[in-house]
Amino acid sequence: AQSVSQHNHHVILSEAASLELGCNYSYGGTVNLFWYVQYPGQHLQLLLKYFSGDPLVKGIKGFEAEFIKSKFSFNLRKPSVQWSDTAEYFCAVNLYSGAGSYQLTFGKGTKLSVIP
Amino acid sequence: DSGVTQTPKHLITATGQRVTLRCSPRSGDLSVYWYQQSLDQGLQFLIQYYNGEERAKGNILERFSAQQFPDLHSELNLSSLELGDSALYFCASSPWDYLTGELFFGEGSRLTVL
Repeated sequence: AQSVSQHNHHVILSEAASLELGCNYSYGGTVNLFWYVQYPGQHLQLLLKYFSGDPLVKGIKGFEAEFIKSKFSFNLRKPSVQWSDTAEYFCAVNLYSGAGSYQLTFGKGTKLSVIP
Repeated sequence: DSGVTQTPKHLITATGQRVTLRCSPRSGDLSVYWYQQSLDQGLQFLIQYYNGEERAKGNILERFSAQQFPDLHSELNLSSLELGDSALYFCASSPWDYLTGELFFGEGSRLTVL
């Protein structure tokens, strides 16, 4: 079955540490890839997206992600995290759901806790 | 503020009951999506409506139904509620009927079934 996997359930980092959150998907066709973030008590909001072109995409707040097609991966990175990055991060892929339609399928999320 | 409004924010009810969750999309958005977020299943796509018509269906139970009205607001009806239906229900909207862009999410409706 088509799916999206996030490797880490909970990541704890100190401020200024580097971050990499893994995301893999299982689908052989063309995909659009997204990272969403949910700050405590807030709605999900888009961090960055990949549709085509340069596989290294930059998003808001210093985040970036790299699409590696051969590995079916779209990992999220940030060189130096801040306490305000404490949130839950969701990888999402639009996967074909049949009858000409696509649906945005989310990974189970990774909680990031940044310690001051 | 994403521009997507969901009501109620919190809802507590008993097993066997029926509830209705409401979503108003961003101004101009024609598509509404419903998602269920639970601790064990994560974010699960339920259903999408585009301009009043059902566009895509995900893992939506037969006890659940949804509709989108002419003013584009949407309602998700959950009936014969079970303990396992306790979750956060998100609504999202987008301008298109197909997924090439981002979705704009509301803050969710937290349903607790006792």
